[in-house]
Amino acid sequence: QQQVKQSPQSLIVQKGGISIINCAYENTAFDYFPWYQQFPGKGPALLIAIRPDVSEKKEGRFTISFNKSAKQFSLHIMDSQPGDSATYFCAARSRSYNTDKLIFGTGTRLQVFP
Amino acid sequence: NAGVTQTPKFQVLKTGQSMTLQCAQDMNHNSMYWYRQDPGMGLRLIYYSASEGTTDKGEVPNGYNVSRLNKREFSLRLESAAPSQTSVYFCASSIRDRGLYEQYFGPGTRLTVT
Repeated sequence: QQQVKQSPQSLIVQKGGISIINCAYENTAFDYFPWYQQFPGKGPALLIAIRPDVSEKKEGRFTISFNKSAKQFSLHIMDSQPGDSATYFCAARSRSYNTDKLIFGTGTRLQVFP
Repeated sequence: NAGVTQTPKFQVLKTGQSMTLQCAQDMNHNSMYWYRQDPGMGLRLIYYSASEGTTDKGEVPNGYNVSRLNKREFSLRLESAAPSQTSVYFCASSIRDRGLYEQYFGPGTRLTVT
């Protein structure tokens, strides 16, 4: 199964709060799980990524939590700021003999209000 | 480095017209990708090219053709545009280097088919 399911579709958080976005996958062959951030009118850009042999990765205010047995991973944004308002996509990597592909979730639109 | 560039930024077509979306990268990446982004559906892979001279179908290839002109350039052609092809199109390129993996996205082409 190649799907990556993402929730919620949209999220409204007050400044200083914690934003949490969840993703789930079925294919145990996926071996790399990035999160991309997209601002309006721009292309997505890599925010943070994790491998399945690690349960947590933190970069500044952004943390990925990974649960291999449940096949779930989530993005936590601590102390959310208005500048974090964007669409966030989780993804999973599918490897083949000649290249890698990313399977993307459907996206979460985050709005952080002052 | 300009990264990944796409032309045009905006385009309006009538049903049945044809056009080519251009993409170029200056990062010496082997792999290149075309995605379409629709509300609530995330990023869906149309075609990809693992290396110069090779192309493969992605999740939603119907109605599209691609050409990997050289290592830098990867174009997407709509032979007979349909309203269902109204979307934002993103080109991306990637590198797999010392275990790192990232896809770099262009700024997108917003296409409307009337």
